[in-house]
Amino acid sequence: QVQLVQSGAEVKKPGASVKVSCKASGFTFTSYAINWVRQAPGQGLEWMGWISVYNGNTNYAQKFQGRVTMTTDTSSSTAYMELRSLRSDDTAVYYCARDNGVHVVRWCDYWGQGTLVTVSS
Amino acid sequence: EIVLTQSPGTLSLSPGERATLSCRASQSVSSSYLAWYQQKPGQAPRLLISGASSRATGIPDRFSGSGSGTDFTLTISRLEPEDFAVYYCQQYGTSPVTFGQGTKVEVK
Repeated sequence: QVQLVQSGAEVKKPGASVKVSCKASGFTFTSYAINWVRQAPGQGLEWMGWISVYNGNTNYAQKFQGRVTMTTDTSSSTAYMELRSLRSDDTAVYYCARDNGVHVVRWCDYWGQGTLVTVSS
Repeated sequence: EIVLTQSPGTLSLSPGERATLSCRASQSVSSSYLAWYQQKPGQAPRLLISGASSRATGIPDRFSGSGSGTDFTLTISRLEPEDFAVYYCQQYGTSPVTFGQGTKVEVK
C-alpha cells in the first residue's frame, strides 16, 4: 500500500534550519511528484511547493522562495524539505503529499503523517 | 493568486442530514482543477474529490462534488458519524496552489 513516512518532531531556535524527510513506499517513486504543505497550530493548510521526482523540476510558493529547498533521493525513495532562517511563525506541522502531476502540480492523493516543527528560543 | 473562500465557516448538523459546503474562487479555476479534502483532529488531510467532481479511490458515494468557474460545492448526502470534520478546497489550476480556509462540520 502507498505510504509516506515522515521524520520525527523537531525543535529549532530562530535563525536555524530544519530538514524534514518523507520516505515513500508502495509505489514507483520516480513516476510521481511530492508536494509540501504546512499547517500552523489551529490554522488551515498552506502550500509550500512541489518537486517532480520524475524530472527534478520544482515550483515553490513565492512566500518561501529563497528560504526553502526541496530535493529527492531516488535511491532511497525519500523526499526532503529544508527550510532556513526559521522564525517563530514557521512553527507548524509539515506534511508531504504525493502528487501524480509529474509535469505540473495536481492534487495530493496520499499524505504523510506530518512532522511538527517548533521554533522557539 | 487565486483566493478561495469557503462558506459557511461552521456547519452544525445532525447525523443523517445533508451537508452542502461552498468554495468560491476570486477568479476562474482553469479546467475545474479543484480538489476537496477532509481532515480530522490530529490526522493528515484525506483526498475526497479531484477535478471538481471525481471521487478518490475508496470514497463513499455520499460525497459528491460539483461546480465550475468560480463556484464549487461539496455535498454529503447523509452525514455519518465519521463525517464530522474540517473540509478544505484546493485549486491547482493556477500557480501558486491555494487552499480555502476550511469549513468545520460539527454535530448539532
